[in-house]
This record gives sequence, C-alpha cells and structure tokens, in this order.
Amino acid sequence: EAQVTQNPRYLITVTGKKLTVTCSQNMNHEYMSWYRQDPGLGLRQIYYSMNVEVTDKGDVPEGYKVSRKEKRNFPLILESPSPNQTSLYFCASSPFSDGSWDQPQHFGDGTRLSIL
Amino acid sequence: SQKIEQNSEALNIQEGKTATLTCNYTNYSPAYLQWYRQDPGRGPVFLLLIRENEKEKRKERLKVTFDTTLKQSLFHITASQPADSATYLCALDMGRRALTFGSGTRLQVQP
Repeated sequence: EAQVTQNPRYLITVTGKKLTVTCSQNMNHEYMSWYRQDPGLGLRQIYYSMNVEVTDKGDVPEGYKVSRKEKRNFPLILESPSPNQTSLYFCASSPFSDGSWDQPQHFGDGTRLSIL
Repeated sequence: SQKIEQNSEALNIQEGKTATLTCNYTNYSPAYLQWYRQDPGRGPVFLLLIRENEKEKRKERLKVTFDTTLKQSLFHITASQPADSATYLCALDMGRRALTFGSGTRLQVQP
C-alpha cells in the first residue's frame, strides 16, 4: 500500500530536549516536505526536499533541521524544542519530477507534538 | 504578498443540498489548483486538481471550477451526505517549489 509513515504519532516532551520525527514514503517520490498546522493558520511549510541531499527552507524553518540521505526518508529534527513549536506536524511526498504541481501530495497521518 | 482565502471557517448545510466552498487568491496566477479533504486527526487527502486552462473538473459528486480572471476556485459537493463532513483545503502552485495551502473550510452536513 502506497503510504507516508510518520513516527511518533504523539509526543509530549520538555523544552530543550532534542527530538526527531521520522518520515518514510514507499512511492519512490523525489519531493518530500514538512508542514506544521496550527488553528487558524492552516498548513505552513517548514522545509522541503527536491531529491536526495537537496533540501531548502519553507515559510517557517526557524528552530528545525532536516536531512535527506535516502530517497524514502526525510526526518524532522528539533535540536532545542520550545513551547511555540507545539503543533501538529505533517510529512508529505509527491512525484514533482518535472517541477510542476500537476501531481497530488500524499500526506502522513500527522505527529502531535507538545513541548512543555 | 501572496494570499489565499477560503470562505468562512465553517459551513453548515442540510443533507442532500449542494455545498459550495470558495477559494480566492491574490497576486499570482497559479498554473495548478488542488483541493484536499482533511478529517480530524488525519492528514489531508487529495481530491481534485484543475489546471489554469481548464474551466471545470468533475469527479463523481465533486465539481471544481477555476476562474483565473476572478482569481477564484469554487468547490461543489452535490447531494451532500453527513459523511462529507470534514475540512476542505485548497492549495495553489504559487510559483515556488511548494504548494501554498488555504486555512480551510469546515463543512458540516446535517442529517
């Protein structure tokens, strides 16, 4: 089954304790992306990756890091989490091979992070 | 700056009626516009895509229109059912290597 898998689904942690949210897709997609979703603000892009070893900032990259060492994986790293990073996070992937958005994005089921 | 607006945060309609959701955008002419459905606690799920040279697209009970002059897309669900209750998001290709999403419209279909 084609899917984007995120782990963990839920996490409560404390300020400053480094954490990683994993994302894996089994569709051989080039493009992967991380979003955060907050009430009234919609989905905002954090980082994206066009392919292995190619990553770039989205609209709200501050406080986050990503890496793309393999095509299928795109982990999101919070080196020193703070309460304002409490949010619902989504990973997504898409073919996007020709640089046009005529293909859908496939989303994971989300990771709810609470930073105390 | 680029902006996407989806009409009213919530829309309540009676079962069997047609739901119409609006997506307005400014300052850009996207080549593609996509609509997604999101259920509580789940990731968005792709529904339909329409290209700038297409006026209308249909899929079963869903219909999307794209008016590049008005800078607006309308999303229609005909013969709505309680199972259609969800949040619907529009997403636009704003010329970046990313889709830009609206904040969504929550649709509630009353039985």
